[in-house]
Amino acid sequence: EAGVAQSPRYKIIEKRQSVAFWCNPISGHATLYWYQQILGQGPKLLIQFQNNGVVDDSQLPKDRFSAERLKGVDSTLKIQPAKLEDSAVYLCASSSLWTAVEQFFGPGTRLTVL
Amino acid sequence: RKEVEQDPGPFNVPEGATVAFNCTYSNSASQSFFWYRQDCRKEPKLLMSVYSSGNEDGRFTAQLNRASQYISLLIRDSKLSDSATYLCAAFNTGNQFYFGTGTSLTVIP
Repeated sequence: EAGVAQSPRYKIIEKRQSVAFWCNPISGHATLYWYQQILGQGPKLLIQFQNNGVVDDSQLPKDRFSAERLKGVDSTLKIQPAKLEDSAVYLCASSSLWTAVEQFFGPGTRLTVL
Repeated sequence: RKEVEQDPGPFNVPEGATVAFNCTYSNSASQSFFWYRQDCRKEPKLLMSVYSSGNEDGRFTAQLNRASQYISLLIRDSKLSDSATYLCAAFNTGNQFYFGTGTSLTVIP
């Protein structure tokens, strides 16, 4: 079974530029999560989708971050404009049900903002 | 107050030792709890789920104490390959998933 796919794996941009990350969850997984993991910290949930609807985006900095999952399958996360403090690994995860079962994580996108 | 708190460590233990990590959660309505393992520069992977009074998987034992609102992970007979960061996570009734900051473990030969 293919795992969660993410691209790109690495991205270096300058502050104030825009960047987008892509995630393709495990086939059939209805729930998709985007996390931000800053070095030395645990993953912080940014947004959670159930199919193509948003379940929770309370920790998403909506002035600069946006995410969509238009067809309920793959998803994109965008940052516009980026700040230095956005440097982190952005992890995508998926699960088959929305009530607390195992999340499978992708390899992440490591973003460096200069 | 953070939803989930862990002692970041680091824990440095010799091979064969027993080590325990604790994790506290603030939301008494949290329903489910998990321990994830994260290797350096890799994604987290589920180690164990902790649903009720705890469970055991080989050298690993996870326990839940709802009265004191903490979960623990016990690793017996530590191996070099156990070196990693261990993340606890809680899922609450608002369908929100929170991770702790992680506890770093290094097993020394």
